[in-house]
Amino acid sequence: SQKIEQNSEALNIQEGKTATLTCNYTNYSPAYLQWYRQDPGRGPVFLLLIRENEKEKRKERLKVTFDTTLKQSLFHITASQPADSATYLCALDDTGRRALTFGSGTRLQVQP
Amino acid sequence: EPEVTQTPSHQVTQMGQEVILRCVPISNHLYFYWYRQILGQKVEFLVSFYNNEISEKSEIFDDQFSVERPDGSNFTLKIRSTKLEDSAMYFCASGQRGGPYNEQFFGPGTRLTVL
Repeated sequence: SQKIEQNSEALNIQEGKTATLTCNYTNYSPAYLQWYRQDPGRGPVFLLLIRENEKEKRKERLKVTFDTTLKQSLFHITASQPADSATYLCALDDTGRRALTFGSGTRLQVQP
Repeated sequence: EPEVTQTPSHQVTQMGQEVILRCVPISNHLYFYWYRQILGQKVEFLVSFYNNEISEKSEIFDDQFSVERPDGSNFTLKIRSTKLEDSAMYFCASGQRGGPYNEQFFGPGTRLTVL
């Protein structure tokens, strides 16, 4: 069956450290993978998109990698801040469906 | 900065009643979406809409659901006869370009509670 797995446990890190979140997928062959941020009671906010032929994408303190062999994307936030505390969702294109399929998200808590 | 808006923010209804959830997408966007998120669960795709017709829908989007763009600005989701399991946050999203290979802009959501 198809699965998108993100760490279900919350990730707690100290301010200033790098947070690394994982998105693994099974039985998908995505050409694109997106990362969103979601705050409690709010809609997802787009952060980054990476294509299958891109190994890495950066935007300010954010970095995403995409390994189609491992079927995994890693999302890094460097120099993390308490304001980065949120749930981070990965989403990919469901082959043949042109629709976004989301993972369940990882909650990040950055301690001051 | 332009944003997607949704009304109401919270809707409470009785089982079996019809509800209409409203969205105003970003004005120059052409692609529109509805997603839902049951409390504590993942965001799930319902339907996408382009050029005044449905372009994609999920298994969740059955005959009880319909979408409409009644004028140049609003995009609505109607649930004809609500069930308890329809209780969820409903998010509208829009995009300038379509498909999962482009970013989508989400609204703040409507919390639907079916009693």
